[in-house]
Amino acid sequence: GENVEQHPSTLSVQEGDSAVIKCTYSDSASNYFPWYKQELGKRPQLIIDIRSNVGEKKDQRIAVTLNKTAKHFSLHITETQPEDSAVYFCAVPLGAGGTSYGKLTFGQGTILTVHP
Amino acid sequence: DTAVSQTPKYLVTQMGNDKSIKCEQNLGHDTMYWYKQDSKKFLKIMFSYNNKELIINETVPNRFSPKSPDKAHLNLHINSLELGDSAVYFCASSQTTGTGYTQYFGPGTRLTVL
Repeated sequence: GENVEQHPSTLSVQEGDSAVIKCTYSDSASNYFPWYKQELGKRPQLIIDIRSNVGEKKDQRIAVTLNKTAKHFSLHITETQPEDSAVYFCAVPLGAGGTSYGKLTFGQGTILTVHP
Repeated sequence: DTAVSQTPKYLVTQMGNDKSIKCEQNLGHDTMYWYKQDSKKFLKIMFSYNNKELIINETVPNRFSPKSPDKAHLNLHINSLELGDSAVYFCASSQTTGTGYTQYFGPGTRLTVL
């Protein structure tokens, strides 16, 4: 199955700084790379995703970059704010092109704390 | 107009009891999932149903039995509850045709086994 490694497990930054979280995966056929945000006591929600035909996607203060050769993708948050504090998960679909039925393998999660 | 809903939100019970969690989605998705999130926040898939058919069954004790009466519902029944079953259980749904993989999660059910 797909192996997903996410780092760091915790990240503490000052408000206004940038934060970067990285995920590596094992299946070179993977073609879809989402990031989910889970605030304390809430459900995980998709915040940004990227498909394998592009190398970068941006949405206001968040961006995702993809390096297919090295099999890793990263979440970048600029000008962090206290409300960015949450757990962030990367995910990779199982068996791209196969009978994955949308199954996602999630990374271990990164607890981001933004200090005011 | 909640997209994915679960009941109950909290469940506190004694070891050895049997309990059920219900999930409903009104997004018209064809696939539904159950995840377990432990105290370390790791999201582990347990089951997945596609058009009412079980297609993913991870290594989960057979005390856990999912049931999908129709495409919009996926329930989880747990027999003989153990302390280690304490966790937050999330239901999710997605549409797996086309290129969609986005999963929409329910609010979660916090299960505490005493």
